[in-house]
Amino acid sequence: EVQLVQSGAEVKKPGESLKISCKDSGYSFTSYWIGWVRQMPGKGLEWMGIIYPGDSDTRYSPSFQGQVTISADKSISTAYLQWSSLKASDTAIYYCARGKTSGEFDYWGQGTLVTVSS
Amino acid sequence: SYELTQPPSVSVSPGQTANITCSGDKLGDKYASWYQQKSGQSPVLVIYQDSKRPSGIPERFSGSNSGNTATLTISGTQAMDEADYYCQAWDSSTSWVFGGGTKLTVL
Repeated sequence: EVQLVQSGAEVKKPGESLKISCKDSGYSFTSYWIGWVRQMPGKGLEWMGIIYPGDSDTRYSPSFQGQVTISADKSISTAYLQWSSLKASDTAIYYCARGKTSGEFDYWGQGTLVTVSS
Repeated sequence: SYELTQPPSVSVSPGQTANITCSGDKLGDKYASWYQQKSGQSPVLVIYQDSKRPSGIPERFSGSNSGNTATLTISGTQAMDEADYYCQAWDSSTSWVFGGGTKLTVL
């Protein structure tokens, strides 16, 4: 069974850095895309970016380009989303999801709640 | 940038048919997917490649995509179908994009 397991909730201060993770189990990590999706409190889903761990091809939404970095470590089947300097407006739930070549996200992680507050 | 527009809310009586629309420029030329998100849970894929249902999704969920509009249809809507629904499109030029979401209320 495919499972994407995300790292736990984080509480950070503005200006701090953060790296959250998404570990796959049960499928070939290098044969699918892994996307990241933001959901701000009470709001909708926003596509942030995506990586193909097989060759590290990475794409970003224009809204998030330069704001976050997406990476992956094939050796441990884990994808990452990181910030170098968090803002209060980064407070949200972040989901990772497996992306198929026809564009859909067929499996989702449980979400990581990131709270940024002074 | 490419945008998808959904109605903020749709209401339906139990047992009736709910139609949720998603509009975008030449959306019919792209693949459309639909996700169900219940309160406090992760999204679940219910329709992909315009009209295909993943394993485990009830037959009452169906989809279509033509022109500028994709539609998610829930036939014989049940109380358990009350949730937020998001459309999503993809093609090589659009990359990935989500609609704003529709809250389905089963009255």
